[in-house]
Amino acid sequence: DIVMTQSPDSLAVSLGERATINCKSSQSVLYSSNNKNYLAWYQQKPGQPPKLLISWASTRESGVPDRFSGSGSGTDFTLTISSLQAEDVAVYYCHQYYSTLFTFGPGTKVDIK
Amino acid sequence: QVQLQESGPGLVRPSETLSLTCTVSGGSVDSYNYYWSWIRQPPGKGLEWIGSIYNSGSTKYNPSLRSRITISKNTSKNQFSLKLSSVTAAETAVYYCASVLYPGAFDIWGQGTMVTVSS
Repeated sequence: DIVMTQSPDSLAVSLGERATINCKSSQSVLYSSNNKNYLAWYQQKPGQPPKLLISWASTRESGVPDRFSGSGSGTDFTLTISSLQAEDVAVYYCHQYYSTLFTFGPGTKVDIK
Repeated sequence: QVQLQESGPGLVRPSETLSLTCTVSGGSVDSYNYYWSWIRQPPGKGLEWIGSIYNSGSTKYNPSLRSRITISKNTSKNQFSLKLSSVTAAETAVYYCASVLYPGAFDIWGQGTMVTVSS
């Protein structure tokens, strides 16, 4: 299995400030034949299912605000919220789909400072 | 737009079989290149992929659960189902169904159904 880790476990950021979440995979999720990273980010608010924010490591889904951005390649990835808004309070998960034995990171909780 | 809805008992006795169904609307369980999946989340914890069934009917299961899982689909009802045998209290969780247009991430999720394993 590809093991996903995330850091930090939680963070508190002031409104309007930047939030950065890191994700690491135990093996590369970069598929050499198409040069794509099989890595996604989800946002989950209490009582709701996860919402897909970013796929292919850096492609925002339709309707996702541009303050959310993804970066990284291979085994190391980052989700950045450039200017934290109150509605961004949630748990964020990374997920690899390079292997069809799908795995998720443990999650990072984002709160307002 | 595909929509998913889970259904099934909210309470299951320990050692018995958990059975859930996901009804697909706005699409077909036989749609080419779709993976139909089950994911669970214990209260206050993270997400665990349980398994998936491809439009062809082939399946992939989480190795840690493989011996106890069956995922199947019913084309006539446009549904796919999960059976998890010999459940324990630790498997109390919200169970989600989700879809993947392969290759890709889980882009469509059901609202989830809470299943409690208790006597």
